Amino acid sequence: DTGVSQDPRHKITKRGQNVTFRCDPISEHNRLYWYRQTLGQGPEFLTYFQNEAQLEKSRLLSDRFSAERPKGSFSTLEIQRTEQGDSAMYLCASSAPGEPYEQYFGPGTRLTVT
Amino acid sequence: EDQVTQSPEALRLQEGESSSLNCSYTVSGLRGLFWYRQDPGKGPEFLFTLYSAGEEKEKERLKATLTKKESFLHITAPKPEDSATYLCAVQASAGNNRKLIWGLGTSLAVNP
Repeated sequence: DTGVSQDPRHKITKRGQNVTFRCDPISEHNRLYWYRQTLGQGPEFLTYFQNEAQLEKSRLLSDRFSAERPKGSFSTLEIQRTEQGDSAMYLCASSAPGEPYEQYFGPGTRLTVT
Repeated sequence: EDQVTQSPEALRLQEGESSSLNCSYTVSGLRGLFWYRQDPGKGPEFLFTLYSAGEEKEKERLKATLTKKESFLHITAPKPEDSATYLCAVQASAGNNRKLIWGLGTSLAVNP
């Protein structure tokens, strides 16, 4: 299967711990996005990479969140000192250069902070 | 400010009962409007991209249309397996990041 993959699918952590999620995009896609989604809401944009460059980060994202995409392939999203409000589904999406512009999503990582 | 509003929030249909979902938007230049389907606990699944007013796309029992202010997702003779949340998103032509601006979705339940 050549779709977007995310790991882990589920993560339960205690408040104050650090967590890291991984996303592997579709191989020929140079653009990669992270979103966060809570129940009953649409996905909320977190950050965007074109190749290895992080071109935009949401103003809503605190300094506890950091993302990387070394070598323009897979990406990691780290949350430091987790808070209960960080509990959500974290979605990764990728898109190809040029048209069409649609983004393809992975299955998501469900984070629960206790 | 770019915004997407979907209605209704929830819709319950009997199998075979056709209906439409609405997505109205305000955006500073539309690059594309996207429809996704999302099942509980899963990531959104891409359905359609619409680029300009008057455009229509079809896939099985679904048909998406676009005007300058809104899009409709028509569901013809739905089946229980069509039950899901349908999300609409727009991409503004301004800027290069291509981030999507999302509506809250319409939760569709199709009863057998």
